[in-house]
Amino acid sequence: TQLLEQSPQFLSIQEGENLTVYCNSSSVFSSLQWYRQEPGEGPVLLVTVVTGGEVKKLKRLTFQFGDARKDSSLHITAAQTGDTGLYLCISDSWGKLQFGAGTQVVVTP
Amino acid sequence: NAGVTQTPKFQVLKTGQSMTLQCAQDMNHEYMSWYRQDPGMGLRLIHYSVGAGITDQGEVPNGYNVSRSTTEDFPLRLLSAAPSQTSVYFCASSPGSPSGYTFGSGTRLTVV
Repeated sequence: TQLLEQSPQFLSIQEGENLTVYCNSSSVFSSLQWYRQEPGEGPVLLVTVVTGGEVKKLKRLTFQFGDARKDSSLHITAAQTGDTGLYLCISDSWGKLQFGAGTQVVVTP
Repeated sequence: NAGVTQTPKFQVLKTGQSMTLQCAQDMNHEYMSWYRQDPGMGLRLIHYSVGAGITDQGEVPNGYNVSRSTTEDFPLRLLSAAPSQTSVYFCASSPGSPSGYTFGSGTRLTVV
């Protein structure tokens, strides 16, 4: 079983600040997905990274996949209140998902 | 497209009762799976399927049964409900690795 460690568990920042969330594993990811979940809803896919060293951008969100495919990060630039939510990293091994514990991000005005 | 539809949204059961949580998707996705989400425990995989007729156990399968007779549907059956099964249940589907998953909006189950 692949163990995903996500940090920090909780992050509270003000609008306009930057933040970074990390996801690490002791073993190699085949692929890694990042999701955001809002209260009362299911997680929503943000991005999938597959190739070591890959960088993907989604507006103010930047996702990096480590060269060795054992770690990933999500960076949000100039956070907005709409970025508030639970951010999850998920490893997918042919239908069997492993989850990080999640990072609760709260962005205040 | 409706995406992933879960029914019911809320359910209260008495201990020992059985019920089926329904999950349907209209995207012709091969992969479907069930999760439970509990405070402090995060999301945990119950059962998953990589195609019609194929199912496998996840991390917490005890007390739950699944079947996948069609591509569209993946029902989760609680055999004899217990208070420990009080949770929020999510169903999700995917075209297959490494594509991401589409999650339903969840079923909030309380067992008393």
